[in-house]
Formats: sequence, C-alpha cells, structure tokens
Amino acid sequence: GDSVTQMEGPVTLSEEAFLTINCTYTATGYPSLFWYVQYPGEGLQLLLKATKADDKGSNKGFEATYRKETTSFHLEKGSVQVSDSAVYFCALNTGSGNTGKLIFGQGTTLQVKP
Amino acid sequence: GAVVSQHPSRVICKSGTSVKIECRSLDFQATTMFWYRQFPKQSLMLMATSNEGSKATYEQGVEKDKFLINHASLTLSTLTVTSAHPEDSSFYICSARDAAGQVNYGYTFGSGTRLTVV
Repeated sequence: GDSVTQMEGPVTLSEEAFLTINCTYTATGYPSLFWYVQYPGEGLQLLLKATKADDKGSNKGFEATYRKETTSFHLEKGSVQVSDSAVYFCALNTGSGNTGKLIFGQGTTLQVKP
Repeated sequence: GAVVSQHPSRVICKSGTSVKIECRSLDFQATTMFWYRQFPKQSLMLMATSNEGSKATYEQGVEKDKFLINHASLTLSTLTVTSAHPEDSSFYICSARDAAGQVNYGYTFGSGTRLTVV
C-alpha cells in the first residue's frame, strides 16, 4: 500500500544552519505530496505542496522538489531559525487531485538552538 | 482564511465516561471530515472518514462502537469516545475537506484535542 518514510529525528541544528529532512514515498499512480508542520500542542499547518513530478513547493524559506525518479520529496531550508523548531510531517494523498486520504510519515522533530 | 475550530483543546475525564469532540468548519462547507489519532512522538493515524449525511468509514482496527462519529451538517462533525479508558488517552485531530478540494488543497486541520483518561 501507499506509504511515506521520513528520516528519524530528532534533528538538532544551530541557528542559521542548513536543513534537510529526507522523505521518500511509495504510491500507485501520481499522488500529490505535502509537508506539514506541527508546533507543540497544536494541529497541523500546511507548509508546502507539489502536485506533479519536478514541481517545487516553497514557503517561508522552505523548499521541496517532487522527484518521481527517486520517489522523494526532501524538505530543505538554507538558514533555520529557533522559531522553526517543530515536528515536520511528509504526506501524500491517495486519490487524484485533492481527493483521497492523507498518508503521513512518522514525523521528524527539529530543534534549533540559538 | 478557512479555519476548522476544534473543541475542547484539552479534556480530562474519568475512566468509563464518554467524551465528545467537535470540529466546525468556518467559512466553508466540510463535505468530508477525517479523524486522526496521534500518540506521543508518533505520526497521525487515520481513524475514520465521514461524509456529510452518511455513516463514517472506519479504518481497519478502529472500533466503530467506541469511536462514534457524527457528521450531520456541512459545518459540524463530532467524535465521541465512549466508555473511555486510559489507553484511549491521545491527541485527536480532525481535518475537513470541501467538495472541490480547493480549500487548503483539500485538507484543513483542527488544532487538536488532548484527551487524558484517568
């Protein structure tokens, strides 16, 4: 079945460091891919998305490119801030377009130290 | 922007009692509601999917008699945890989708409910 695998955390970085959180997926068809962020005690917020191969999603300095050949959607940011500390989830949807269920990876905790 | 209001944000209940969690879509009609459960430091596990006016579809392993879902209107869905036990303690999150899947690309999440059963 469809699945998402993320790198295990926690990831601990110093402020202004470069961030990469790896995400790979297994899916039939051509899913849309998402990154969500969850701050402590809160729900999920959409960070960015990509709907087809080679699309690049970007928001708030974060980027991720839909790589069909490697079935990956790695999250990157050039210079992290303390306020980026949160849990990041990679996800795919199982239906075409924006239908279907969201399947989440296990989440990666990011801790950014001043 | 579109918001899903989820209440309560935290609830503590005694073992054996029932707890109701509400999710309301503001500024859009939620034709579909997804209910998730999240254990500490783990991912979100889909519990069930409900379409307005229809019975919910539960994922394998989820007890439908324990987790009652009602989606009687286009703006309100509820999850009732019946006869709660300590193992039901968890973080529950809803996610609403409009018919066209346009609002927030089809998935607008509530802020979650922390349930603690003592």
